[in-house]
Amino acid sequence: GAGVSQSPSNKVTEKGKDVELRCDPISGHTALYWYRQSLGQGLEFLIYFQGNSAPDKSGLPSDRFSAERTGGSVSTLTIQRTQQEDSAVYLCASSFGPSDTQYFGPGTRLTVL
Amino acid sequence: QKEVEQNSGPLSVPEGAIASLNCTYSDRGSQSFFWYRQYSGKSPELIMFIYSNGDKEDGRFTAQLNKASQYVSLLIRDSQPSDSATYLCAVRGGTSYGKLTFGQGTILTVHP
Repeated sequence: GAGVSQSPSNKVTEKGKDVELRCDPISGHTALYWYRQSLGQGLEFLIYFQGNSAPDKSGLPSDRFSAERTGGSVSTLTIQRTQQEDSAVYLCASSFGPSDTQYFGPGTRLTVL
Repeated sequence: QKEVEQNSGPLSVPEGAIASLNCTYSDRGSQSFFWYRQYSGKSPELIMFIYSNGDKEDGRFTAQLNKASQYVSLLIRDSQPSDSATYLCAVRGGTSYGKLTFGQGTILTVHP
């Protein structure tokens, strides 16, 4: 079956531009997560969606970061006014529910010049 | 103190040996523990999860959990060069319901 998909796989942008990253979770998975992995920082949690509940945004590093999940499926992570420190691999994961195993997508490598 | 701690390595073992990877966590309310493997340039893939104290075996892999000591480990028996990767320990539950909190990862190299 299809796994978690993400697009684009690579994104190069200029400092100050806005970017949108997309995640398509595994069909039937109600929980969706965004993580960021950068050199020296490891894998850090950003935001978590569970069904129709309010998302857990506790990991978003600044108000330049936002995410939405439409129709309980596809999610978009938006970074406004990108900075060089935003350069990282952004990983999306999904699970049946919050207590189930999370499966990761291939990630989007973001480079801010 | 980091919430989840792992030795960054690198850990180098000869082919056929047992590789032992360790992880400690700070949140006593943590309920679920995961080991992910990540090859260079790839996303993490789940190897094992464990919820209860004791050992859990799956093929060449054994996860061990000791909640009293807040310690979880992964043993890889008969290590193969294809096991060379970064191993990530992740913890869920307690104050971090839903989301996973990851350690920095241990780099494992299995040499022929």
